[in-house]
Amino acid sequence: DADVTQTPRNRITKTGKRIMLECSQTKGHDRMYWYRQDPGLGLRLIYYSFDVKDINKGEISDGYSVSRQAQAKFSLSLESAIPNQTALYFCATSDAHSAEIYEQYFGPGTRLTVT
Amino acid sequence: DAKTTQPPSMDCAEGRAANLPCNHSTISGNEYVYWYRQIHSQGPQYIIHGLKNNETNEMASLIITEDRKSSTLILPHATLRDTAVYYCIVRGPNFGNEKLTFGTGTRLTIIP
Repeated sequence: DADVTQTPRNRITKTGKRIMLECSQTKGHDRMYWYRQDPGLGLRLIYYSFDVKDINKGEISDGYSVSRQAQAKFSLSLESAIPNQTALYFCATSDAHSAEIYEQYFGPGTRLTVT
Repeated sequence: DAKTTQPPSMDCAEGRAANLPCNHSTISGNEYVYWYRQIHSQGPQYIIHGLKNNETNEMASLIITEDRKSSTLILPHATLRDTAVYYCIVRGPNFGNEKLTFGTGTRLTIIP
C-alpha cells in the first residue's frame, strides 16, 4: 500500500463550487504539505502543517484553506473554485525529527479541473 | 538558497549508467544537495541527498565535488522506468522556510 494517498485522483467541478481534496499518510511523519503544479511553473507550496495544532500558509494560499484532522490526515479545500485553480495537486510529508526536512514524500496527485 | 543549473535534456541507453550533472556554484556551507525525479505527472520522488561526502542508496549514487560547486547523480544501470524529469535542489536546514523549489530539471530519456 502507498505511504501517501490522495483522494480523489481526478475531479471536475464547476466554478463557485466548494471542493475538498484529502490526503492520508502511513509514514508517521509530523509534517504535511500541499503543493500545486501548473505546466511550466513547477511546484508551488499552498499550505503546510507541522502538527495537528500548527498550520502555515505557503506562497499561494489565497482561495484555499486546510484542515489537519489528525497526524495522518491533511485536507485542502477550495471554498469557491475558479478556473485558474485547475492544476495538479500534490500532498507531501516529511519527518519533523530530521534536520534534513527536504526529504519529502509525495502522494500520487489529484488532477482538478474547474470549468 | 543556492541556485542550480541542469541541462534541459539527456538521453541514455538502457543498461548503461546515466550521469546527470548539476551546477550549484553559490552553495553555502550548510546547504544540502537533494535530488528528486518526477515520472510523467506522478508525485515527485525523493532519490538521494548529501552534504559533502559521496552518497549511495538503492536507487542512485551522488557524487559531490570537493569544492561542492557541482554534483552528479548516477543511475548505475538505467532502465526504461528511469525515464523522468530529474531535479537538483539545494536547501539549507531552514525550518522557517519549508518550500521545496523545483526548477526545470533535466528530462532524462532512456533509449531501448
